[in-house]
Formats: sequence, C-alpha cells, structure tokens
Amino acid sequence: GAGVSQTPSNKVTEKGKYVELRCDPISGHTALYWYRQSLGQGPEFLIYFQGTGAADDSGLPNDRFFAVRPEGSVSTLKIQRTERGDSAVYLCASSRMTGTSGIEGDTQYFGPGTRLTVL
Amino acid sequence: QQQVKQSPQSLIVQKGGISIINCAYENTAFDYFPWYQQFPGKGPALLIAIRPDVSEKKEGRFTISFNKSAKQFSLHIMDSQPGDSATYFCAALKIQGAQKLVFGQGTRLTINP
Repeated sequence: GAGVSQTPSNKVTEKGKYVELRCDPISGHTALYWYRQSLGQGPEFLIYFQGTGAADDSGLPNDRFFAVRPEGSVSTLKIQRTERGDSAVYLCASSRMTGTSGIEGDTQYFGPGTRLTVL
Repeated sequence: QQQVKQSPQSLIVQKGGISIINCAYENTAFDYFPWYQQFPGKGPALLIAIRPDVSEKKEGRFTISFNKSAKQFSLHIMDSQPGDSATYFCAALKIQGAQKLVFGQGTRLTINP
C-alpha cells in the first residue's frame, strides 16, 4: 500500500513568514511523529501524536512551532515567524503503535520529508 | 547532550568488504536499538533492530552486535555492495511510552566497485 506522504516536497519562504507542512500517514496507523533533520545530522524528535492528541511535544523548539492532527489521520506542522535557523528537512513518520508485544518497538515508517528553506 | 554517539562520520569500503559502524548510548532506560538506512532525498527506513538482552542479531548480510555493559552497539555489513552506499543512523528508544527515536549523527557509507 501507499507509504507516508508529505507535501510540499520543497518549501522556500522568507524570514518572518508562516508555513504549513502536511503529513499523510499510512492508513490505520494511530501513532504519528514529526522529526527535524538538519544538514549532516540525524533526525531530532519534535512531537508525537497518539490519535488526535499530542501525547508528547517535548521536542518542539519554541512556541513558534505547533502541530495538529484533528481527525487522527493527516497532520499539519505549523511554523510561525520563520527564522533562517528553521531551515531543515522536516520528516513525518507513522506506526501502528499496537504495543501488543511490549518487548519490541513498533516500526516507524518515514515519509520523504519536506525541505524547508528560510531566506 | 548527545545521547547517542555514532562513528565514523564517513566510511569508504571496497566491494565485498565488511562495513562496521559503531554507536554508544548514555541513557540506560533505552531498551530498543534500531538501525536506519537513508538514501538521498528519501526518509530513513528501518534496517534491523535489537533488544539489549540479546548480544547479536543477524538478518542476511546485516548483523548488530550489542554490548550492554559497555553501552555500545555496532552494525556490520558483510559482503558490502555498491547498492549499500547510503547514510546509516543508529537510534535508541524506550518501548514504554512515546517510543520517540533518538538518533546518532549518521555515517555516510560509500562502497567502491
């Protein structure tokens, strides 16, 4: 079936502008994650949704960043008053998060990411 | 504070050789250790994973070795092929709770034909 999709694939904006990044998870996956990957670095956790609620937003760098998942499927990451330091690839991942075994992690499936450039 | 440290940053191996990437972690609460492979323009994809109560796990040409007392683990790619050229990330997570991945810095692997 279809994997995780993210739109747009590239976004160029000017400093101070508002941007929205969209993630379509794999159908039926209840868990959704946002990560940020700076050039030459590993992805860093931003926020985790279980269903519609943000269960863990400890990775959001400041209050300019906000994410929603109103119907428990598609999620939108919103960045206000963008800064040049926000430039990165924003990755979305989803998993079944069944937790049925309790002995292994649920596989997170990543989308291709949105490359955000703030000029 | 870097919770998962990965080395080397880059690695060049001849076709047919063994590629070895090392990682060390600090948080003993981590109880699941996956490795991800990432090609340019793509998101990371799970390659293989291990629990800390197992010292080694093998899947095809890929093997994870785990040393719990040293808080270190490594990925070995046997008979490395040009198609293995990619960036590899080790990661760690706690199974209970959000299962948020903590990644290493990545290793850019190049397999020369």
